[in-house]
Amino acid sequence: KAGVTQTPRYLIKTRGQQVTLSCSPISGHRSVSWYQQTPGQGLQFLFEYFSETQRNKGNFPGRFSGRQFSNSRSEMNVSTLELGDSALYLCASSLGQGPTYEQYFGPGTRLTVT
Amino acid sequence: GESVGLHLPTLSVQEGDNSIINCAYSNSASDYFIWYKQESGKGPQFIIDIRSNMDKRQGQRVTVLLNKTVKHLSLQIAATQPGDSAVYFCADSAKGYKLIFGTGTLLAVQP
Repeated sequence: KAGVTQTPRYLIKTRGQQVTLSCSPISGHRSVSWYQQTPGQGLQFLFEYFSETQRNKGNFPGRFSGRQFSNSRSEMNVSTLELGDSALYLCASSLGQGPTYEQYFGPGTRLTVT
Repeated sequence: GESVGLHLPTLSVQEGDNSIINCAYSNSASDYFIWYKQESGKGPQFIIDIRSNMDKRQGQRVTVLLNKTVKHLSLQIAATQPGDSAVYFCADSAKGYKLIFGTGTLLAVQP
């Protein structure tokens, strides 16, 4: 069974631009969660989507948004990029909603904002 | 590989020794706890979990201990191997809400 895939793996953007990251979950998984990982703040939860609806949200500004499609694939968008948005963005898929379902993480997208 | 943390606490052990990685959490309402392992260039990988109605759970070569009184979690790895070298994170959740991750500990296994 294929694991969680994230595209692109690496991305360089300029301040003020916007970016869209993509996540394909494991087949059969209906939940996708997004996380930001930085050396300073560690791993932080962004949001979770289940059945195309956002079910849970972390403490990030509205510049961070996401969506989920009917095939469970998810995208995350960051608008008006800031230098502090440079991070590894991880997505994780699971069978059901919420953290008690085992989450399978992808390898991440490394975003660098210059 | 990806850098997951520049100033992580580091635990250095000899191959074959037992490792104990500790974690403190702050939310007294947390009722679910997980340990993850993250190798360089990869996303976190689930190791073991425990619910708040338990104080110990064992897996293959790993044991998690939960002390709710002092809000402390530990991961014990028996007979540590070079392949165990990674960053280890604890995470907790209250009532199915979002996971809160600890800062991580780098485990370095010396051959």
